[in-house]
Amino acid sequence: QVQLQESGPGLVKPSQTLSLTCTVSGGSITSGTYYWSWIRQSAGKGLEWIGRFHTSGSTNYNPSLKSRVTISIDPSKNQVSLKLTSVTAADTAVYYCARGGRVHDNWGQGTLVTVSS
Amino acid sequence: EIVLTQSPGILSLSPGERATLSCRASQSVGSSYLAWYQQKPGQTPRLLIYAASSRAAGVPDRFSGSGSGTDFTLTISRLEPEDFAVYYCQHYGNSPPMYTFGQGTKLEIK
Repeated sequence: QVQLQESGPGLVKPSQTLSLTCTVSGGSITSGTYYWSWIRQSAGKGLEWIGRFHTSGSTNYNPSLKSRVTISIDPSKNQVSLKLTSVTAADTAVYYCARGGRVHDNWGQGTLVTVSS
Repeated sequence: EIVLTQSPGILSLSPGERATLSCRASQSVGSSYLAWYQQKPGQTPRLLIYAASSRAAGVPDRFSGSGSGTDFTLTISRLEPEDFAVYYCQHYGNSPPMYTFGQGTKLEIK
């Protein structure tokens, strides 16, 4: 059973970079044809897809966030990473990593990130 | 960009009743690209339905999905206490790749 676990700072200052890691256990992130997505959930905007990485090396991002987002993987650690630059209070949310293609069939528990000085 | 509008925002029903949740897309979408998720308080979203009408593994058969074009429905035939949660629809578009979620319907105990 593949499990996903997000980790990273729970508090980030405005204008700084949010960095999160998703550690995948029970299976290799480089096997199969899955995409590895980051999705966030805030009270104001509900569920919002941030972007995804495919093991082929391709990435896709939400156009509304594209200029600030980078998603990458570290196969040696079986991890997927998210970097979001120039954060503001509007980036405060629970951040999830999720596996999928057309749908997300496996989610991490999520990690709350608050942007505040 | 596809916008998904869910209705009602809140649905109050009793256990044993039938629940009908709606998801309307701003333009016609392929049924293969419409999914439903359930989220209970403090928990992660759980995939219920994919391709508009196919149940995900382990999902009870009281859950069913239907619809096409712009109008999709999630039906729960007889509500169990554990079904009271928030439900989201999701669309996947592939040109360019993009996932869009509805704002959710909260199903609460009456």
